[in-house]
Amino acid sequence: ETGVTQTPRHLVMGMTNKKSLKCEQHLGHNAMYWYKQSAKKPLELMFVYNFKEQTENNSVPSRFSPECPNSSHLFLHLHTLQPEDSALYLCASSQVGSGDVNEQFFGPGTRLTVL
Amino acid sequence: GQNIDQPTEMTATEGAIVQINCTYQTSGFNGLFWYQQHAGEAPTFLSYNVLDGLEEKGRFSSFLSRSKGYSYLLLKELQMKDSASYLCAVMDSNYQLIWGAGTKLIIKP
Repeated sequence: ETGVTQTPRHLVMGMTNKKSLKCEQHLGHNAMYWYKQSAKKPLELMFVYNFKEQTENNSVPSRFSPECPNSSHLFLHLHTLQPEDSALYLCASSQVGSGDVNEQFFGPGTRLTVL
Repeated sequence: GQNIDQPTEMTATEGAIVQINCTYQTSGFNGLFWYQQHAGEAPTFLSYNVLDGLEEKGRFSSFLSRSKGYSYLLLKELQMKDSASYLCAVMDSNYQLIWGAGTKLIIKP
């Protein structure tokens, strides 16, 4: 148990559907992240929230929309996705600015398939 | 641009030693991380190096040379459960992690 939970674990959706991924961290961290992991590719950072403020948006298409209502919860809203968006979506959290190692703790991921 | 290179796949024998290399070119450096990821699971933190030298943690050790942009993860007394992907990541000047594609380690009996 890493202290970061994600739901759902698996999701199959059509290109016209709207769905949301949820992430919750129980570690008291102040930063949360969304990553996309495709086979044999590096983890791609999508969004970063630091103290609930979005600090990074790495050229992610607008069909992905993040929401961070508080420092423990993070959502990724999906709409009109494309088949190439099929991947494992990982949420992570870390404590930024403490002077410590600042390693990121990952959730188990949501395996997304777009038909 | 920023780049992290590591071998795609390695094979080793149970009980042996394996070294997984990682080279990097990043804008700034605030530490290098190694993560382990079993198939279908989340990456889990293994080690962190910010100063040159060797960090030992049980059967796993990690080495860093900042001047060479180079790190390695050394796994000793390999066990079947060590079969996984090993991800190298560098924290850049913006404190963001830049990730390698991972090295899939296959352990044979």
